[in-house]
Parts: sequence; structure tokens; C-alpha cells
Amino acid sequence: DAKTTQPPSMDCAEGRAANLPCNHSTISGNEYVYWYRQIHSQGPQYIIHGLKNNETNEMASLIITEDRKSSTLILPHATLRDTAVYYCIVRAQGGSEKLVFGKGTKLTVNP
Amino acid sequence: KAGVTQTPRYLIKTRGQQVTLSCSPISGHRSVSWYQQTPGQGLQFLFEYFSETQRNKGNFPGRFSGRQFSNSRSEMNVSTLELGDSALYLCASRSALAGLYNEQFFGPGTRLTVL
Repeated sequence: DAKTTQPPSMDCAEGRAANLPCNHSTISGNEYVYWYRQIHSQGPQYIIHGLKNNETNEMASLIITEDRKSSTLILPHATLRDTAVYYCIVRAQGGSEKLVFGKGTKLTVNP
Repeated sequence: KAGVTQTPRYLIKTRGQQVTLSCSPISGHRSVSWYQQTPGQGLQFLFEYFSETQRNKGNFPGRFSGRQFSNSRSEMNVSTLELGDSALYLCASRSALAGLYNEQFFGPGTRLTVL
């Protein structure tokens, strides 16, 4: 079973920041938080991952709470092309490459 | 670099038949994983291959099998198809470099419909 809890759906206005929350209260010390997204009818796409520090790349920022029990993926300026299902996954680096996907959050970016 | 390619993209079979799906990973990637996606169960891990060896297997019946060739291309086979096998089958490849997180790159999937 997935070790994460995400809201089933969220809406965001185009151009505004989209903040997607994820709860992972049972995360272990060696487990990372990964985010993937799946645009309709395509394969999932890697976005970002982190252990305990905040991370930023060209796609998004990842904010992880100090106790590591939750995190937030931030898309700073959402566009219509960001409409997708976003998956938060916890996984130990160096372990199995198996990704355990939950149901994710369906983000709809509205014009 | 070309992405992960999967063939065929769409397939229709009838119950009891078998099917073989193909995946060509990104050049240089040695690990290939397979996932099944259905509306009811979501994305579920099937198996992972690395250097022609199965390294991990999900909770699927033995009707689901796979293999990897020396050029890292992979095939998965489903025998004695059931209606519930209708799904999007996704292949993902990664470079498997030691010491780094190697993100998985997913292909577009093969949409299998079992009638």
C-alpha cells in the first residue's frame, strides 16, 4: 500500500502558484519523498525528490516539514499544461526501484 | 536522446489469448520496469529487469512474465488473458548509475483491451 495521503483533487488558476500537499506520517529516516505527475494518456513524469531539505529545480519546489511527516509540491506559475495527476511517493534510495503509486491528486489548472 | 518506446500502442485481444508487449529503453539505460494501470487499482508495479535479470516482482499471477535482452530491450508476456487484464501497460527505464537517484523515464504505454 502507498505510504502517502493526498487530496483527490485541487484547482488552481492559471499563472498562480499551485501548492499540492502530501502526508507521509510513517516515513522512515532513510526514505525520500518523490513526486511524479501523469498528464492524461501519457506515462508518469519525474518532477523532483528530497530527503529533508527543501529542493528546487526548473519544474517545481519541494518543501518538507522539519518532522518530515508532510511535504508540499509547489508549481510557482501554473499553466494549463500542468493539469495532471500528481503522485507523492516515499521510497528508500538504493532500495528497490519499485514505485508504489497512490491515487494522487488531480490538479486542474483553470484559465 | 530518444525516449522510451513501447510497441504496439494499442492492442485488442480476446479472452484466453496471449500477448507480448515490447519496450525499448532510452539508450544507455540498463534497468527496465513494467507497471499496469487500471481505473480501479491505479498504477501497480509488475517487475523490474536489470542486465537481463529480474530483480523485483510485484504481486501478479504467474501469467504475467517478462524478460530483458542483452541490448536492454524488454518484453512482457501475459498468457491466458482475462477481461481484468485490460489496462494501460507502462514501461519505465533508468540508467541505474550507482550512488545517484536515477529517475525513471516512462514510455507512452500500450493500451490492451481484452474482449
